[in-house]
Amino acid sequence: GAGVSQSPSNKVTEKGKDVELRCDPISGHTALYWYRQSLGQGLEFLIYFQGNSAPDKSGLPSDRFSAERTGGSVSTLTIQRTQQEDSAVYLCASSIRTSDTYEQYFGPGTRLTVT
Amino acid sequence: AQTVTQSQPEMSVQEAETVTLSCTYDTSESDYYLFWYKQPPSRQMILVIRQEAYKQQNATENRFSVNFQKAAKSFSLKISDSQLGDAAMYFCAYLTSGTYKYIFGTGTRLKVLA
Repeated sequence: GAGVSQSPSNKVTEKGKDVELRCDPISGHTALYWYRQSLGQGLEFLIYFQGNSAPDKSGLPSDRFSAERTGGSVSTLTIQRTQQEDSAVYLCASSIRTSDTYEQYFGPGTRLTVT
Repeated sequence: AQTVTQSQPEMSVQEAETVTLSCTYDTSESDYYLFWYKQPPSRQMILVIRQEAYKQQNATENRFSVNFQKAAKSFSLKISDSQLGDAAMYFCAYLTSGTYKYIFGTGTRLKVLA
């Protein structure tokens, strides 16, 4: 079936503008994750959603960052008043927990450039 | 808190040779999972191999195998018969059983030389 998709693939925005990044997880996956990856660096956890539980927002770097997951499916990561240090690749992943399945499946990412 | 350490920022291997990427982790849990992910220049993260901590047998997927040393908290990835397409960033990841938060290492960039 279809994998995790993200849009847009690239986004260039001016400092101070708001941006929305979208993630469509694999159908049926109950968990959805957002990560940030700066150039050549590792993955920085931002937030995850699991079913109907309250999201774990412990990785959000500031109150300019927020995320929603509507209907247990599509998620939107919003960055308000973007700063140059927000420039990075934003990766989304989804997973489903079964007796023998627990790995994450990643989307292709959105490259955000703040000028 | 759990941590994952990849001490090799960059590695090189000659095509057709074997290379081992290191990963160590720290946890007080006894039941967990470990993963190796590959991220090629296209940036799409792909699962390479996974290991359940309760299994003593090392996982193997074609040319990829792991050396899982639970007591030493070590989880290295061996790539045999390296191919040009293996060139990528490789990330080691940890997940405590029953939880949902994955912990990633900082990655190792693998270069494959023709």
